[in-house]
Amino acid sequence: KQEVTQIPAALSVPEGENLVLNCSFTDSAIYNLQWFRQDPGKGLTSLLLIQSSQREQTSGRLNASLDKSSGRSTLYIAASQPGDSATYLCAALIQGAQKLVFGQGTRLTINP
Amino acid sequence: DAGVTQSPTHLIKTRGQQVTLRCSPKSGHDTVSWYQQALGQGPQFIFQYYEEEERQRGNFPDRFSGHQFPNYSSELNVNALLLGDSALYLCASSLLSMTAYQETQYFGPGTRLLVL
Repeated sequence: KQEVTQIPAALSVPEGENLVLNCSFTDSAIYNLQWFRQDPGKGLTSLLLIQSSQREQTSGRLNASLDKSSGRSTLYIAASQPGDSATYLCAALIQGAQKLVFGQGTRLTINP
Repeated sequence: DAGVTQSPTHLIKTRGQQVTLRCSPKSGHDTVSWYQQALGQGPQFIFQYYEEEERQRGNFPDRFSGHQFPNYSSELNVNALLLGDSALYLCASSLLSMTAYQETQYFGPGTRLLVL
């Protein structure tokens, strides 16, 4: 059974800092790994999707990496801004099914 | 192009009642998945519909059922509501094809259900 874990559960940093969010998964049989952003009371916004054959993806100030062999993914946010404050969720699309298995999320607060 | 839409946005029910939530997928998508997100938790997969059939199911009781219509829209029904069913219910749409694995699932804004 695939389990996805995110550490830390919450993170508070001053504006301008670079930061890393961590995601680990127990089963390497995945099609892809996705990172989502969720604002309070809202739905999910897809940030980055990394195929199982890829090592990383970049979008603006965001960079996500994937290491299937170790069961880890990281989301790197450069030059953080208060508008980056949200909950960040990672999810693995498991092979043999099209269901996403989510971590519990990291609640990020960027202090001005 | 409208994305994934869900209705209603909020709903309050009492224990034992039944509820129906609705989802319209993104244009061109043929697969709808439903997720339950309890407060402070990540979403949990409920089930997935394709060609009007339940294709995959997560670890949820039979009180949770669904339906997909010919226009690909979907409903989630929950019977005999419990306090623990209070959550944000998210619908996601995708295209079930070989290329689908290279595409993200698109999520709707969710329906927040409160059971009293």
